Amino acid sequence: ETGVTQTPRHLVMGMTNKKSLKCEQHLGHNAMYWYKQSAKKPLELMFVYSLEERVENNSVPSRFSPECPNSSHLFLHLHTLQPEDSALYLCASSQEEGQEQFFGPGTRLTVL
Amino acid sequence: GQNIDQPTEMTATEGAIVQINCTYQTSGFNGLFWYQQHAGEAPTFLSYNVLDGLEEKGRFSSFLSRSKGYSYLLLKELQMKDSASYLCAVTPKAAGNKLTFGGGTRVLVKP
Repeated sequence: ETGVTQTPRHLVMGMTNKKSLKCEQHLGHNAMYWYKQSAKKPLELMFVYSLEERVENNSVPSRFSPECPNSSHLFLHLHTLQPEDSALYLCASSQEEGQEQFFGPGTRLTVL
Repeated sequence: GQNIDQPTEMTATEGAIVQINCTYQTSGFNGLFWYQQHAGEAPTFLSYNVLDGLEEKGRFSSFLSRSKGYSYLLLKELQMKDSASYLCAVTPKAAGNKLTFGGGTRVLVKP
């Protein structure tokens, strides 16, 4: 596979569930990102990792917990979410921070 | 804070030209990106401007004026497949190298 992949593509979960989103990039990039895209709102940056270290946590609630075990993989662990967390969650990577970002296809999350 | 403005929606006819404007007010400036996003899909990179002037890439061109905090994306010879949202994103110096996105402009191309 090439580029940035995300799994699952669609996820429906209850407010008491725990789930994880996975992102993998096959581009040899050093920076990875999580974004949230809600209807009629700009893309919101959630987390940034550079060389596997978190460099940005954009005031995201603690019910979202990122993990970057290596430079190719990024996870977003979800627990006790709220219905307003329903959105498209996009992962992206770039060679270095500030450079062109390549996006994955996203995970469409619905919280019931 | 950072502020990026672009029109919400534009409609144009197949074969025509459309210009999408983006104005920004940020703490410093490191560069401006344009992305295209089809409904239900991921954004894809279109262009990057860091210096003033026009960057041309096939049917798409992007212009930047740093002194005016202004950019536009020009789409020529519109095709139906160009119907999508176009996102303006700025890298402000104060935010390190983190992209800040505008709300996007939805372009509808009609036959």
